[in-house]
Amino acid sequence: KQEVTQIPAALSVPEGENLVLNCSFTDSAIYNLQWFRQDPGKGLTSLLLIQSSQREQTSGRLNASLDKSSGRSTLYIAASQPGDSATYLCAVRYGGATNKLIFGTGTLLAVQP
Amino acid sequence: NAGVMQNPRHLVRRRGQEARLRCSPMKGHSHVYWYRQLPEEGLKFMVYLQKENIIDESGMPKERFSAEFPKEGPSILRIQQVVRGDSAAYFCASSSQPETQYFGPGTRLLVL
Repeated sequence: KQEVTQIPAALSVPEGENLVLNCSFTDSAIYNLQWFRQDPGKGLTSLLLIQSSQREQTSGRLNASLDKSSGRSTLYIAASQPGDSATYLCAVRYGGATNKLIFGTGTLLAVQP
Repeated sequence: NAGVMQNPRHLVRRRGQEARLRCSPMKGHSHVYWYRQLPEEGLKFMVYLQKENIIDESGMPKERFSAEFPKEGPSILRIQQVVRGDSAAYFCASSSQPETQYFGPGTRLLVL
């Protein structure tokens, strides 16, 4: 069964700290992996997409890495800000005709000013 | 370029009524996906459609739920005879190719 797990479920840090969010998946034959941000009552904003052939992607203060062999991805947020407070979701897409994303349950991040 | 649009944003229905959720994909996108987020749970895939075709409906409940993406107009997710367990946020996403999916703001359905 293809499952995606995220730890921790919740995280609270003071402003300015660097932090790492973890995502693991049971089936390593992924096509790509995507990190999203979800604000309360809102939709999802795509942050980074990593293809299966890539090891990492960077956008501003965000860096996502992918280790297919171990079934893991990490999202690194540098110099966290209160505006980073949100739920972070990782989603895995496998190959084949279906393009469905399999989501983790998310990490709720609170950055304290 | 407007993003993915969903309406209504909030929908209240009584048990037994029908709910119709609409999704207008981004301009130029011909792939549409529906996901459901139950309270305190993650997003779960429901259905993947291309214009006039259902490609994958493996996540759709067997009864009462249907989806379409006609040649003209928005994609529709239809829930007949709603029950309280249908209360959730329903998200639509679209893509031009089967790559990055762009999500709409969601429709929050409350069944009384």
